[in-house]
Amino acid sequence: GNSVTQMEGPVTLSEEAFLTINCTYTATGYPSLFWYVQYPGEGLQLLLKATKAVDKGSNKGFEATYRKETTSFHLEKGSVQVSDSAVYFCALKPSGYNKLIFGAGTRLAVHP
Amino acid sequence: EAQVTQNPRYLITVTGKKLTVTCSQNMNHEYMSWYRQDPGLGLRQIYYSMNVEVTDKGDVPEGYKVSRKEKRNFPLILESPSPNQTSLYFCASSVEGVDQPQHFGDGTRLSIL
Repeated sequence: GNSVTQMEGPVTLSEEAFLTINCTYTATGYPSLFWYVQYPGEGLQLLLKATKAVDKGSNKGFEATYRKETTSFHLEKGSVQVSDSAVYFCALKPSGYNKLIFGAGTRLAVHP
Repeated sequence: EAQVTQNPRYLITVTGKKLTVTCSQNMNHEYMSWYRQDPGLGLRQIYYSMNVEVTDKGDVPEGYKVSRKEKRNFPLILESPSPNQTSLYFCASSVEGVDQPQHFGDGTRLSIL
């Protein structure tokens, strides 16, 4: 079946540190891949997406590359800020379906 | 302001007492969906609707009903709530499907005693 596995959190970093949040997936065919972010007390917001292999999604300094050979879509940012503290969700859209499968989420805490 | 509005934001109720969580969007979106968020499980889709009068089950539809009589509204109905439906619920909408950015409401926290 289709599934998304994310690294467990919380991830705690100092400001300006490098961030990696791992995401791997299981799916048939060619799914689309997404990262959503949830700030405290709010709904989710799309951060970035990639729809085919080797695509790189990027937004607000975050990047993720669709790697079909390793079935991964790891989220990276070169220098995190306190305002990046949130829960990050990796998600996939299975090929041929109009729904999203989410990972469990990874909480990021950035301190000054 | 473009938004997805859910009501109520918080509700504590008892087993078996029917309840409805409303969801309304003002962006003329075709696609709407409901999710529940539980610790360690992320978000799981309950139901979705591609457009008016068209709804379909997501991954966890048991115990829930929906209707889509108008484009802007997509209420979630719990006919006979049970404690295992205690959760944080989100409504989302998009232009025409999940390839477009999903706009989420701020969530409804339900506690079923």
